[in-house]
Amino acid sequence: GQQVMQIPQYQHVQEGEDFTTYCNSSTTLSNIQWYKQRPGGHPVFLIQLVKSGEVKKQKRLTFQFGEAKKNSSLHITATQTTDVGTYFCAGRPGGTSYGKLTFGQGTILTVHP
Amino acid sequence: NAGVTQTPKFRVLKTGQSMTLLCAQDMNHEYMYWYRQDPGMGLRLIHYSVGEGTTAKGEVPDGYNVSRLKKQNFLLGLESAAPSQTSVYFCASSYGGLARRGTQYFGPGTRLTVL
Repeated sequence: GQQVMQIPQYQHVQEGEDFTTYCNSSTTLSNIQWYKQRPGGHPVFLIQLVKSGEVKKQKRLTFQFGEAKKNSSLHITATQTTDVGTYFCAGRPGGTSYGKLTFGQGTILTVHP
Repeated sequence: NAGVTQTPKFRVLKTGQSMTLLCAQDMNHEYMYWYRQDPGMGLRLIHYSVGEGTTAKGEVPDGYNVSRLKKQNFLLGLESAAPSQTSVYFCASSYGGLARRGTQYFGPGTRLTVL
């Protein structure tokens, strides 16, 4: 079955440093979504990427989808304490546009003030 | 709108006991999902439903059953709880069509401990 691997599992940064998490799928994806889960909370949708090579930005967050549609990354510039949480990627198999997702293991981000 | 709600929020069971987790959504979503979250394992899909009266197995379905008798509700049952089912359970829902691309909306979670 489809596997989605996410690295690193943990990342500790000083406030103001940059942060990147990477996501790799064993199969080509139809699209990929990113979610954020605050400590003690539930996952909340951030963004979806659909096109090969797509890059989207949300303020300090930059999301990329690889040319082969098998990998993705989330980059946060100048982290803030409000960025603390677990970031998940979630991929949808190629050939489908909706329905179930396969989640990566998540990257737990800690930001030290 | 309340979005996705889950009951109960916390529960402690003894091995062998049974229970049902209830998920409700008021967004008229066609699709609903049950996940479990364990440290270092991410979110793993247990069962899902693409519409009222239909259910399907996910990645880790053993030991669980589900029912979707009404479009807005999705029930997760544990017939005979085991310590390995200690976890945080999340329900999610999404539109089924292409228009909104299947963004999933999650409930607040149920923390289950099986002793």
